[in-house]
Amino acid sequence: SQQGEEDPQALSIQEGENATMNCSYKTSINNLQWYRQNSGRGLVHLILIRSNEREKHSGRLRVTLDTSKKSSSLLITASRAADTASYFCATDAGNNDMRFGAGTRLTVKP
Amino acid sequence: DTAVSQTPKYLVTQMGNDKSIKCEQNLGHDTMYWYKQDSKKFLKIMFSYNNKELIINETVPNRFSPKSPDKAHLNLHINSLELGDSAVYFCASSRTGVGAFFGQGTRLTVV
Repeated sequence: SQQGEEDPQALSIQEGENATMNCSYKTSINNLQWYRQNSGRGLVHLILIRSNEREKHSGRLRVTLDTSKKSSSLLITASRAADTASYFCATDAGNNDMRFGAGTRLTVKP
Repeated sequence: DTAVSQTPKYLVTQMGNDKSIKCEQNLGHDTMYWYKQDSKKFLKIMFSYNNKELIINETVPNRFSPKSPDKAHLNLHINSLELGDSAVYFCASSRTGVGAFFGQGTRLTVV
């Protein structure tokens, strides 16, 4: 069964704007991860945040985690056309069980 | 060198046939997975293995049988293929506390 729910399902913004995607999940986790998938390609790992962390940065990416609300957000700042892709959150319960949400389709218009 | 490689990339076959998809990782990871991505882009876990041992078997029909000859390989054999098996199948590997690496996917089309 799916673990995460992302919203929005689709997001369209102009280059230079920020993009925020949200993920909610149901069960306890060891960590939460975000992945990007370009059309017709495999998933690429972006960032991992552990359950005892609240915020993490990597370049133009900022991830937050609220374990009390079982939710996470991914912020991409100063978006570029090359950021156009689908973004997925994945929860890792620590028992080799990594489950994905439905994904957010991001379109960045030049 | 490709970290996680799966073959073939495309597979078109008739209903009722048996086919296999191979996956190999050269990262030294202990855990490997198979995922199915449907036309709506939902990624559903099918199996996970840790050091060649089956950990997760997510209510997948018995027609799907994973085999892990060693911890670097996790192959997927599918018997009696059905139209509903058409999807993109992804292999992935990981180790504890680190993000997973995915293969490029195998697009299976059953006609």
